[in-house]
Amino acid sequence: AQTVTQSQPEMSVQEAETVTLSCTYDTSENNYYLFWYKQPPSRQMILVIRQEAYKQQNATENRFSVNFQKAAKSFSLKISDSQLGDTAMYFCAFMKGTSGTYKYIFGTGTRLKVLA
Amino acid sequence: NAGVMQNPRHLVRRRGQEARLRCSPMKGHSHVYWYRQLPEEGLKFMVYLQKENIIDESGMPKERFSAEFPKEGPSILRIQQVVRGDSAAYFCASSRSGDLYEQYFGPGTRLTVT
Repeated sequence: AQTVTQSQPEMSVQEAETVTLSCTYDTSENNYYLFWYKQPPSRQMILVIRQEAYKQQNATENRFSVNFQKAAKSFSLKISDSQLGDTAMYFCAFMKGTSGTYKYIFGTGTRLKVLA
Repeated sequence: NAGVMQNPRHLVRRRGQEARLRCSPMKGHSHVYWYRQLPEEGLKFMVYLQKENIIDESGMPKERFSAEFPKEGPSILRIQQVVRGDSAAYFCASSRSGDLYEQYFGPGTRLTVT
């Protein structure tokens, strides 16, 4: 069975600084997808970034980038130039790449506070 | 293009009552997923449905919970004889057949059992 671990329950960062959120996962699959979702106080789940395991290049979306280390089964999220609106819970998620099983397995989340 | 819609947003039920949660997927999406989020926890998969079919219900409790996604109308998650432990946020997500690896979430229904 796959598991996703987020070892940082809470983090804080000063506005405009950079912060990295950690995520590790365990799987015997070779084909899979990894995601970071943001959940602000509104509780709406918002996709931040997505990484296909077969791609060696790290995904980037504006101020958000990942460090994907497949051998180490690590998938960290880097937020550059942090903004107050980045304050939220961040969830790492895993999905198998085989057909018929399109369910996310989420970590327990990291609560990020951006300080003014 | 409207996003995934869920209603009600908040639902209060007394122990023993039934709860019905509705989810309308995004236009063009025919795959629906339900997740449950207990307080201070991550989301846990419950069930995956396509129109008129349950594809994967491995995360559904064996009793009192059921889900459907009829040919017409929204997907329904039904909880019979609710107990306090059912209090949680229930999220629906949808995806399209062309990209099943990315799901779009609704705003959730917060169920409170008193």
